[in-house]
Amino acid sequence: QLQLQESGPGLVKPSETLSLICTVSGGSIRSSSYYWGWIRQPPGKGLEWIGNVYYSGVTYYNPSLKSRVTISVDTSKNHFSLKLNSVTPADTAVYYCARLDCSSTSCLFDYWGQGTLVTVSS
Amino acid sequence: QSALTQPPSASGSPGQSVTISCTGTSSDVGGNNYVSWYQQHPGKAPKLMIYEVNKRPSGVPDRFSGSKSGNTASLTVSGLQAEDEADYYCSSNAGSNNWMFGGGTKLTVL
Repeated sequence: QLQLQESGPGLVKPSETLSLICTVSGGSIRSSSYYWGWIRQPPGKGLEWIGNVYYSGVTYYNPSLKSRVTISVDTSKNHFSLKLNSVTPADTAVYYCARLDCSSTSCLFDYWGQGTLVTVSS
Repeated sequence: QSALTQPPSASGSPGQSVTISCTGTSSDVGGNNYVSWYQQHPGKAPKLMIYEVNKRPSGVPDRFSGSKSGNTASLTVSGLQAEDEADYYCSSNAGSNNWMFGGGTKLTVL
């Protein structure tokens, strides 16, 4: 059974860089059918797609966050990472990692991590 | 990019049916069949309920169904049960590998 687990600091100071890792277990991140993504949810609000990465390192970002986001993949460690720079309190959210399965005729976020709360505060 | 438009709330009594709408544009919902629906209980990660407009993953009850007309997708929950009370989010591809979510609908089982 595929599992995704987010890890990283729960508190980040304003103007600094938020860094998270998503470790994938029970399957390889190298599969040609899947992308690996980050999605966030501010407290009490809806979901916002941040971006995806393919195992080759190709990335896709939400245009509204593109200038501050970097997503990368480390196939040797079977994990992928998120960096969001110049954070403000508005970036406080639960950050989820998820698998985007495009192996059939559709694409769907089918496996999700449990989420990790990151608070931006001094 | 703006979020897809969902009603903030919906409700129904046990056994009834409820439909939740998700409105986008011809560039997202109306432009492809990559529409999905997710259920989220408090403090939990979202769970895939419907994909490709109207397909159910294994294990999702057939009480859950999806449809689409033009730029609006819909999720219908029939035979409402207490455990269906949750937040529901729609999602759509918005071109290339670009994804959008709806603002979410809180479903209350009365």
